[in-house]
Amino acid sequence: SQQGEEDPQALSIQEGENATMNCSYKTSINNLQWYRQNSGRGLVHLILIRSNEREKHSGRLRVTLDTSKKSSSLLITASRAADTASYFCATDPNSGNTPLVFGKGTRLSVIA
Amino acid sequence: EADIYQTPRYLVIGTGKKITLECSQTMGHDKMYWYQQDPGMELHLIHYSYGVNSTEKGDLSSESTVSRIRTEHFPLTLESARPSHTSQYLCASSKGGYNEQFFGPGTRLTVL
Repeated sequence: SQQGEEDPQALSIQEGENATMNCSYKTSINNLQWYRQNSGRGLVHLILIRSNEREKHSGRLRVTLDTSKKSSSLLITASRAADTASYFCATDPNSGNTPLVFGKGTRLSVIA
Repeated sequence: EADIYQTPRYLVIGTGKKITLECSQTMGHDKMYWYQQDPGMELHLIHYSYGVNSTEKGDLSSESTVSRIRTEHFPLTLESARPSHTSQYLCASSKGGYNEQFFGPGTRLTVL
């Protein structure tokens, strides 16, 4: 399977703490994207990082990409209860016109 | 808020029925996708389309069909529903470039 792997599968933290989720993938990529999914809803795009970028910020989100290790991390700083959701990484393969490959997701619970 | 719509939102049907799940987008996106997702689990790509009259099978397509007669419309049909089809079905669209996907709210299907 070309699917990425998120780590950990589930994460529970206190409000105000930072949450870090990791994603590993197998093929060369054009870009890597992170999505959020609230329970029972569709996914929402959070941030995209291109293969020639190493770090990107958006509000309380920080994404890093290490193409040599084929891995990425998503850091959510000063977490809030409203950040409780599942987070998925998705890779845009550098192999023709193929769809995004989604990972299995990390389920984040932020306890108030 | 993405302009992509799915109907119905919830559907309960009996085994053997033929059903069509509707998906429409008003963003003029050329690419559209169907995913199956059990609650809290990974996404499985069922079908995708890169334009009118173009459809491709994903990883989990053998029991369903799709059509793309109009850019904005991408319906998914199950010819004979079975209890194993009970799941959430997510539709998404994207437009070239970085392939950022916009998701609909999903259809939760229960087959009795």
